[in-house]
Amino acid sequence: GAGVSQSPSNKVTEKGKDVELRCDPISGHTALYWYRQSLGQGLEFLIYFQGNSAPDKSGLPSDRFSAERTGGSVSTLTIQRTQQEDSAVYLCASSLYRVLDTGELFFGEGSRLTVL
Amino acid sequence: GIQVEQSPPDLILQEGANSTLRCNFSDSVNNLQWFHQNPWGQLINLFYIPSGTKQNGRLSATTVATERYSLLYISSSQTTDSGVYFCAVERSYIPTFGRGTSLIVHP
Repeated sequence: GAGVSQSPSNKVTEKGKDVELRCDPISGHTALYWYRQSLGQGLEFLIYFQGNSAPDKSGLPSDRFSAERTGGSVSTLTIQRTQQEDSAVYLCASSLYRVLDTGELFFGEGSRLTVL
Repeated sequence: GIQVEQSPPDLILQEGANSTLRCNFSDSVNNLQWFHQNPWGQLINLFYIPSGTKQNGRLSATTVATERYSLLYISSSQTTDSGVYFCAVERSYIPTFGRGTSLIVHP
């Protein structure tokens, strides 16, 4: 497709289980971001990938969160031993990286995670 | 890190009214975007506007980078304009979002 694709759109899990969320960016976009949006809140930065460079993980809230990006394209965000406070919408965005700035961001529709 | 403040936090309008949303930021930025998050949660790009003025139909935006603010104008508002409007500024490759302005447009 032409846009950023995320899956699953909805995920309900039990506390303590691991979850994986997937993001397929716009073709040719080398920059990829994960954000988290809790109910009624703004967007919280989690992690940033640019090409083959080491990711900027400065926004990950704990070591239960990790992400990888394979082949410079698809990314997976993994949350281990989920807690109820992890419940949120996880949003992925991509952009056409430029030397001076990030370029215009485009978001997927998000993955809504509910931890029971 | 950079601080982003949006005002007002909440806005209720009657259909047909005009409004101005403001985004202030605490440091120089490389770019700025305005988004509309519709009631289904989708973030829709409105403007990519690090400086200057742009218009798209009933919406327009102005960024005065030297004074560290941006304005989003909505004219002749419609019920479909309801949702949350976010600005996001980028300084070091990580866009930072404001808390948004929640807009409700009544018919």
